[in-house]
Amino acid sequence: QKEVEQNSGPLSVPEGAIASLNCTYSDRGSQSFFWYRQYSGKSPELIMFIYSNGDKEDGRFTAQLNKASQYVSLLIRDSQPSDSATYLCAVTPSGGSYIPTFGRGTSLIVHP
Amino acid sequence: EAGVAQSPRYKIIEKRQSVAFWCNPISGHATLYWYQQILGQGPKLLIQFQNNGVVDDSQLPKDRFSAERLKGVDSTLKIQPAKLEDSAVYLCASSSSSGRANEQFFGPGTRLTVL
Repeated sequence: QKEVEQNSGPLSVPEGAIASLNCTYSDRGSQSFFWYRQYSGKSPELIMFIYSNGDKEDGRFTAQLNKASQYVSLLIRDSQPSDSATYLCAVTPSGGSYIPTFGRGTSLIVHP
Repeated sequence: EAGVAQSPRYKIIEKRQSVAFWCNPISGHATLYWYQQILGQGPKLLIQFQNNGVVDDSQLPKDRFSAERLKGVDSTLKIQPAKLEDSAVYLCASSSSSGRANEQFFGPGTRLTVL
């Protein structure tokens, strides 16, 4: 059973701060890593994906991947109240299947 | 471009009844997924279609759940008979590929309550 672990939170940060969300996974051969944002009562929407070790930046979002330590993180700079949502980590396994396993998500609250 | 459409948005049934959900993916997307999301958990894949063929249904409770994707476009997911533990949001997603760059687009979901 491929595991994707996230702290359910909530993670509370003040407006303008950096929010750091973490995800660990059990399958060492995992290939692709995705971060989805899910507002309450809404469906998930893709924020970023990353395949290679290192950092990938897109606007206020940075995904960091460390395959040796089997973790992927999402940094949100200059956090805004509109960033308050649940952030889901999804990981595709080794072995040729690209079907992602989702973590349970981390709830982020950005307070003014 | 229209997104993934699902209906109904909400459904309340009693246990042992049957229910069906419908999904229309983004035009041209060959891959379609059905997920079950229980409150407080991440989505769990039930079944993946590539065109009208099943790629993975290993987590589909086949004694009560069934799904089809006729003509490789629309899909229906059925539960018969429903149990209390089936109360969840059922999400349909589609993607243009099933490979590494597998960006999935989700529909609004159907919230099922089983009483």
